[in-house]
Amino acid sequence: AQSVTQLGSHVSVSEGALVLLRCNYSSSVPPYLFWYVQYPNQGLQLLLKYTSAATLVKGINGFEAEFKKSETSFHLTKPSAHMSDAAEYFCAVSDRVYGNKLVFGAGTILRVKS
Amino acid sequence: NAGVTQTPKFRILKIGQSMTLQCTQDMNHNYMYWYRQDPGMGLKLIYYSVGAGITDKGEVPNGYNVSRSTTEDFPLRLELAAPSQTSVYFCASSYPGPASSNYGYTFGSGTRLTVV
Repeated sequence: AQSVTQLGSHVSVSEGALVLLRCNYSSSVPPYLFWYVQYPNQGLQLLLKYTSAATLVKGINGFEAEFKKSETSFHLTKPSAHMSDAAEYFCAVSDRVYGNKLVFGAGTILRVKS
Repeated sequence: NAGVTQTPKFRILKIGQSMTLQCTQDMNHNYMYWYRQDPGMGLKLIYYSVGAGITDKGEVPNGYNVSRSTTEDFPLRLELAAPSQTSVYFCASSYPGPASSNYGYTFGSGTRLTVV
């Protein structure tokens, strides 16, 4: 069965610093992977997705993620954090065997310090 | 605007009451899903559907029921509300399948349910 582990429930960075949010997956088939962002009291917004094309995926708001099969990882990065990046971030893997279900990680809350 | 519409946005239920969370999508997506979100737990799948008339259990189906009589609608039913069902509920739909370049998921804005 597919699963996702997000390392670190809370991450704190200074404004202008590198953002690195870690995600490792387990999948019985080549995975499709997603990163979502959730701002307080809002729904989920897609940041980026990997669907077996380029391993380096660029998303919205300056975020990108690299698919590394050897490490079963899909870490999310942004070179320079902005105060508006403060939110909760979810990594998810698609269960392609049946039902196309998204399996989510527990989430990482990003805090940006001024 | 096209998308997934959930109603109501907020609801307070008393223990033992029942209610239906409504979900409608206008994108002609075959696949639809119900998730619940609890702090520190991410989103857990309650039920999903791969087409009209077809539903299946997800990870946390106990206490819930669903139906899918049309492509557009996928209501979630709580029969006997319990405090453990206090959560934020999200409905989502999915474009046909992973092979499509438009592959992705569209989420509703959520329903915040409190059971007291």
